[in-house]
Amino acid sequence: GIQVEQSPPDLILQEGANSTLRCNFSDSVNNLQWFHQNPWGQLINLFYIPSGTKQNGRLSATTVATERYSLLYISSSQTTDSGVYFCAVEGNYGQNFVFGPGTRLSVLP
Amino acid sequence: EPEVTQTPSHQVTQMGQEVILRCVPISNHLYFYWYRQILGQKVEFLVSFYNNEISEKSEIFDDQFSVERPDGSNFTLKIRSTKLEDSAMYFCASSLGLGDEQFFGPGTRLTVL
Repeated sequence: GIQVEQSPPDLILQEGANSTLRCNFSDSVNNLQWFHQNPWGQLINLFYIPSGTKQNGRLSATTVATERYSLLYISSSQTTDSGVYFCAVEGNYGQNFVFGPGTRLSVLP
Repeated sequence: EPEVTQTPSHQVTQMGQEVILRCVPISNHLYFYWYRQILGQKVEFLVSFYNNEISEKSEIFDDQFSVERPDGSNFTLKIRSTKLEDSAMYFCASSLGLGDEQFFGPGTRLTVL
């Protein structure tokens, strides 16, 4: 099945810094989504982005499907951005999401 | 904005007991999913459901698990005889079609004692 890797596994930032999180996947995808898991365990959907670029406030994401990677950019980070960020992909022949292992982000005041 | 809801938010049960986790997907969605996340680990796919039948399931989804859409709105996950290792957060999701955005519920945290 499709493999998903995320880097870095852990990231510590000072408030106000920018960061880039990466997701690599091993095959063509129909769907790719980025999630933020908050301290209560809820998965907050950030982007539905199987290809192209999207922006939402301080967050933006780019997926280059032909090169099998996606990037999540966080600018001017805030302490509330802390948590685990997951990338999940749905392969062309599958009906389920495969989640990456996540990037744990800690933003320090 | 329509959302996926799940009940209960937290369920505590004794090992060997049956539990039913409930989900109300978004009303016009056709595909329904269950995922689980053991504490500190990544989210894992359990099962997908379409047209009133299971369309795909993972190795985790063994005979102890079953899913049902008992009416036009609810989607349930039943664990027949819970084990300690079933303790996890269980997420329900729904989508309009294959490859479409999946919308996740807030999760049910299951604790098996």
